[in-house]
Amino acid sequence: AQSVTQLGSHVSVSEGALVLLRCNYSSSVPPYLFWYVQYPNQGLQLLLKYTTGATLVKGINGFEAEFKKSETSFHLTKPSAHMSDAAEYFCAVRLSSNTGKLIFGQGTTLQVKP
Amino acid sequence: EPEVTQTPSHQVTQMGQEVILRCVPISNHLYFYWYRQILGQKVEFLVSFYNNEISEKSEIFDDQFSVERPDGSNFTLKIRSTKLEDSAMYFCASTTGYTEAFFGQGTRLTVV
Repeated sequence: AQSVTQLGSHVSVSEGALVLLRCNYSSSVPPYLFWYVQYPNQGLQLLLKYTTGATLVKGINGFEAEFKKSETSFHLTKPSAHMSDAAEYFCAVRLSSNTGKLIFGQGTTLQVKP
Repeated sequence: EPEVTQTPSHQVTQMGQEVILRCVPISNHLYFYWYRQILGQKVEFLVSFYNNEISEKSEIFDDQFSVERPDGSNFTLKIRSTKLEDSAMYFCASTTGYTEAFFGQGTRLTVV
């Protein structure tokens, strides 16, 4: 069965510091992988996705993630945090062959300190 | 930019009452979904809908829940007899089937 684990329910960084949000997945077939962001009182917005091809994917707002099959990981990074990055981040996996349902991790709240 | 819209943004209902949550998916999308997020917990899949029928549902989606696409634009989630534990944020999503899912802003359901 598919599952997604996000290590760290809360991550706190200083403005300008590196952001690293961890995501590990389990899947018996090649997955599609996603990061979504949820700002307070808003819906889920896609940050970036991996389907096939290049394993390093770039998304909006300067975020990127690398698919590492050997480590079953899809960690999200941003070189320099901005105050506006404070939000909840969800990693999600989808099987390439199924109805398109997403399995989400439990989420990581990113706090950015001035 | 096309978006998924959900109404209402917030619904308060008494336990035992029926509620209908409404969604307008993106117009050329073919697959529709409902997810829910109980406060402080992860986003959970409820149901997927394609070609006017349920294609997959989770264990959460029991007989109290139903979905419908009554016309060419709306996609609804009905909860027949709400329980306190149904209080959550409900998200509608849609996709062409080959792209990522686009989510609405959510409906916060509070059962009192």
